[in-house]
Amino acid sequence: SQTIHQWPATLVQPVGSPLSLECTVEGTSNPNLYWYRQAAGRGLQLLFYSVGIGQISSEVPQNLSASRPQDRQFILSSKKLLLSDSGFYLCASEGLTDTQYFGPGTRLTVL
Amino acid sequence: AQKVTQAQTEISVVEKEDVTLDCVYETRDTTYYLFWYKQPPSGELVFLIRRNSFDEQNEISGRYSWNFQKSTSSFNFTITASQVVDSAVYFCALSEIGGKLIFGQGTELSVKP
Repeated sequence: SQTIHQWPATLVQPVGSPLSLECTVEGTSNPNLYWYRQAAGRGLQLLFYSVGIGQISSEVPQNLSASRPQDRQFILSSKKLLLSDSGFYLCASEGLTDTQYFGPGTRLTVL
Repeated sequence: AQKVTQAQTEISVVEKEDVTLDCVYETRDTTYYLFWYKQPPSGELVFLIRRNSFDEQNEISGRYSWNFQKSTSSFNFTITASQVVDSAVYFCALSEIGGKLIFGQGTELSVKP
C-alpha cells in the first residue's frame, strides 16, 4: 500500500518569504500526484496535479507553483507568500486503483 | 458539470446513536466513482470507501454502511452505534474514471459521550 510523506508538518512564515513544501510517496510507481489546499471553512481546493515527471497542470492561477523532479516527489513552492496562502496543504497520490490517498498535511500560517 | 452536495454542515449525536450523513451528486457521465473520506482532528484525510457507478450494492464494514442509489443520485453513509472516535469531518467525493476528484463541503460529526 502507498505511504505519503509531507514535510514540514507545520510552518509559520512572514509575508513575502519563499515557500517549499515537499511530498514523497512510497509503495507505488508512476502515480498521479495532487496538491490541495484546505482553508478555514473546510472546502478542499485542487491546486496542481501531475501525471509524470516534469508534467504539471495548474487548476487555479495564483501565487504558487509546483514541480515534480522525480517520479515520487512533488514540491509546492512560492517565491513570495501572501496572507491568503495560509491554510492546510494536502498532497495526494493516485496509483492503479483510481483512488487518491492523502498525506498528513502541512499547516501553513503566513503572518 | 460535476457537483457534490453535503447538505448537513454539522451533526451532533450522543454516543451509541445511529447517524446518517447525506451525499447527493450531479454528473453527466455514466461511468464514475464515488468516495467517502474521514478527516479527524489531526487533519489527514482517510480513505473509507470507493464505489463504482455500475455497482449499486450496498456495503457494510463493521459499524459503517453505505447506501448508493443512482435513481436519486445519492451515496449516503451510516454509522451504527456511534462512538466518540467517530467525531470528524466526513467528505463525499465524485470522480470520472481517470478524472479529478470533486469534493463536497464536508459534514462535521460530533459524537458526545
